[in-house]
Amino acid sequence: GAGVSQTPSNKVTEKGKYVELRCDPISGHTALYWYRQSLGQGPEFLIYFQGTGAADDSGLPNDRFFAVRPEGSVSTLKIQRTERGDSAVYLCASSFNRGGNSPLHFGNGTRLTVT
Amino acid sequence: GDSVTQMEGPVTLSEEAFLTINCTYTATGYPSLFWYVQYPGEGLQLLLKATKADDKGSNKGFEATYRKETTSFHLEKGSVQVSDSAVYFCALSPSNFGNEKLTFGTGTRLTIIP
Repeated sequence: GAGVSQTPSNKVTEKGKYVELRCDPISGHTALYWYRQSLGQGPEFLIYFQGTGAADDSGLPNDRFFAVRPEGSVSTLKIQRTERGDSAVYLCASSFNRGGNSPLHFGNGTRLTVT
Repeated sequence: GDSVTQMEGPVTLSEEAFLTINCTYTATGYPSLFWYVQYPGEGLQLLLKATKADDKGSNKGFEATYRKETTSFHLEKGSVQVSDSAVYFCALSPSNFGNEKLTFGTGTRLTIIP
């Protein structure tokens, strides 16, 4: 079946612009996660949704970052007033539920470059 | 806070060599431990996991044992193949139930030469 789909795969934007990154989770997965991976680093947790609600957004670096999941499926990560330091690969993952026996399925990521 | 320290890479081995990638962690309570793998051009995928002390996770010939006394979860494989070339990430989850809020190491790039 289809895996986690992220669009676009690459995004280049100018400093100060607004961007939206989309994640289509695996059908039926209730939990959705966003991570950010900077060059040479491991992924860092940003936010976690259970259904439509953000259960934990403690990883969002500041108020320029916001994510939504209005119908409990597709999620959008929104970044306002982008900065060069926001350049990274943004990873989305989903799981059937938050249980420890439900593995995370990651998408291939969106590579964001802020010039 | 929680942290994962992973063996620096890159690592290059010949086919059929023995592999060890070291991973140590710092966490409160009883974390779950994971190894994720990223093959070229693909997304991260779970390789194996262990949820409590002395558990051994295994998959595709890889093994790792949860050692609470040494706070370690080293990845091993007895005989590597070219197809094992990938980036390997050690990670922990702060509870033995949930998947959320994984803390990852920096990754180790493994290259196997025929």
